[in-house]
Amino acid sequence: NAGVTQTPKFQVLKTGQSMTLQCAQDMNHNSMYWYRQDPGMGLRLIYYSASEGTTDKGEVPNGYNVSRLNKREFSLRLESAAPSQTSVYFCASRLNWGGAGTQYFGPGTRLTVL
Amino acid sequence: SQQGEEDPQALSIQEGENATMNCSYKTSINNLQWYRQNSGRGLVHLILIRSNEREKHSGRLRVTLDTSKKSSSLLITASRAADTASYFCATDAGNQFYFGTGTSLTVIP
Repeated sequence: NAGVTQTPKFQVLKTGQSMTLQCAQDMNHNSMYWYRQDPGMGLRLIYYSASEGTTDKGEVPNGYNVSRLNKREFSLRLESAAPSQTSVYFCASRLNWGGAGTQYFGPGTRLTVL
Repeated sequence: SQQGEEDPQALSIQEGENATMNCSYKTSINNLQWYRQNSGRGLVHLILIRSNEREKHSGRLRVTLDTSKKSSSLLITASRAADTASYFCATDAGNQFYFGTGTSLTVIP
């Protein structure tokens, strides 16, 4: 039982390049989330998927797209990376949307955009 | 932003002392959760308190919630060097989580 896994762990991009961050969970959770964490700040929600087949914008969605590929996988895509997207990205999952469930986090992807 | 605020931003204590950190938030909530983040790692869930609860304990952790003041506190008793980490509150309104800005705790051996 690996929990939430993310790939890659580190990535350096040049401005304008694209990339996809991968996330997978093996806990049979219905809801999945993408956050970014910047120095001195808490986590800010980029996109979430309440259940398989649905995705919605969070607090800071601009410049990102997501795909809920199946129940296990939720990917985050940067189409044209910008230096402002330099951050640490965390994926999380929760059993159900709503209710009193806790979120389980992956180890993070550290992205630098030059 | 609906993000919570945490106070203090940084806290340094001696091993064995108690550590208290506070969280204030802006909206009505279903529950409030506290998470810990070790340097370079993801967040780990510590404790959840529901909106109809006022206090909850788990091991050396004690959480209080005052919904009238929209605030919560986390007390870590008898701190250990291994408690050194950042601590975040997260408010759960049923649809989205909003994380606070975090308290960086350093426990000096």
